[in-house]
Amino acid sequence: DTGVSQDPRHKITKRGQNVTFRCDPISEHNRLYWYRQTLGQGPEFLTYFQNEAQLEKSRLLSDRFSAERPKGSFSTLEIQRTEQGDSAMYLCASEETGANEQFFGPGTRLTVL
Amino acid sequence: QKEVEQDPGPLSVPEGAIVSLNCTYSNSAFQYFMWYRQYSRKGPELLMYTYSSGNKEDGRFTAQVDKSSKYISLFIRDSQPSDSATYLCAMSMDSSYKLIFGSGTRLLVRP
Repeated sequence: DTGVSQDPRHKITKRGQNVTFRCDPISEHNRLYWYRQTLGQGPEFLTYFQNEAQLEKSRLLSDRFSAERPKGSFSTLEIQRTEQGDSAMYLCASEETGANEQFFGPGTRLTVL
Repeated sequence: QKEVEQDPGPLSVPEGAIVSLNCTYSNSAFQYFMWYRQYSRKGPELLMYTYSSGNKEDGRFTAQVDKSSKYISLFIRDSQPSDSATYLCAMSMDSSYKLIFGSGTRLLVRP
């Protein structure tokens, strides 16, 4: 197993466009987390899943954001009608429940022009 | 005021020095404490994890948690240029739950 993977690694889009990111967690990890990181700041929690169930969403996650994990394996994060303030690194992490070790992917860097 | 405060640095030290990195926090409900290392344009990598108060040592790294003072530390002995990175503290109120991160301290170890 090669760890958490994210696709794409970089995305440049124009304001108002929709974008979708994918995260493939470490196999057998039933918890999956999404975080957002802006320059000079630590990651901020967005949402997380236990298998296919979305258990919590941050207030940072406006109505333009939606996340899914349809079969309890990979997850997608979609941003509709992107704004310049959405420019950030979007990080995915996975964890085996109870292990207290979240393993992060390399992130998707989003630039909204 | 942020829940977790961390000095952004940068912190510049010569190779071989002992490095001390610190975070303070305000929420007494935090029970789990982690240190992550992040290289430029990469995802964070878990270095140390501690539950509740006390010390934990792993090779050149020692993590300390003082819950009475709401203060955590990471010590790096015999620092190497390859240790140059941003160090993030993170905390959680429960097992396998969302992490609250500090803003990170940038460390530069000079050869």
